[in-house]
Amino acid sequence: ILNVEQSPQSLHVQEGDSTNFTCSFPSSNFYALHWYRWETAKSPEALFVMTLNGDEKKKGRISATLNTKEGYSYLYIKGSQPEDSATYLCAFGGYNFNKFYFGSGTKLNVKP
Amino acid sequence: DAGVIQSPRHEVTEMGQEVTLRCKPISGHNSLFWYRQTMMRGLELLIYFNNNVPIDDSGMPEDRFSAKMPNASFSTLKIQPSEPRDSAVYFCASSFGTGHEIEQYFGPGTRLTVT
Repeated sequence: ILNVEQSPQSLHVQEGDSTNFTCSFPSSNFYALHWYRWETAKSPEALFVMTLNGDEKKKGRISATLNTKEGYSYLYIKGSQPEDSATYLCAFGGYNFNKFYFGSGTKLNVKP
Repeated sequence: DAGVIQSPRHEVTEMGQEVTLRCKPISGHNSLFWYRQTMMRGLELLIYFNNNVPIDDSGMPEDRFSAKMPNASFSTLKIQPSEPRDSAVYFCASSFGTGHEIEQYFGPGTRLTVT
């Protein structure tokens, strides 16, 4: 079993705050890292796929960075809005593995 | 495109009964994944198929669980007999290909409650 850890487990911020959270994964045999956004009572929705060390992806107010040498990725949300409230999941894929390994997620709550 | 379709959306059954969950992947996708989400273990992969062939079923908890994909547009996950600890949300996802860089598209999930 492979360890993919996300921190913090949950986060409460005010509307307008910028926030970030972390996904840690094994630094060896890295192939790809995915970020998903998962709203309550809905299904996970893909945000980013990252494959290259130093990669930085952006979608609106959300961006992500990747450091494969040290085994972490950051997800940033600039100027959080209530509609950003969701659980953010990362999933690691490695060369020697058939499948993704998901972290347990960071649950973000943005108060108006 | 309708996206990944799962049925039923909710299932309540008694312990010992057989449960069948259904999934229709996105048309043109050739890989299909069954996941289970629980509070204790988060989102875990049960089994996945590529071109209708099971590739990795190491996540299937025990012999009570079985999955089939008779054709490219349909898959089932069966639990027989069901137990209360099987209560969870079961997601189906599909993609075109199985490479780790490939995006998976998730269905709405089936919430299973076994009493």
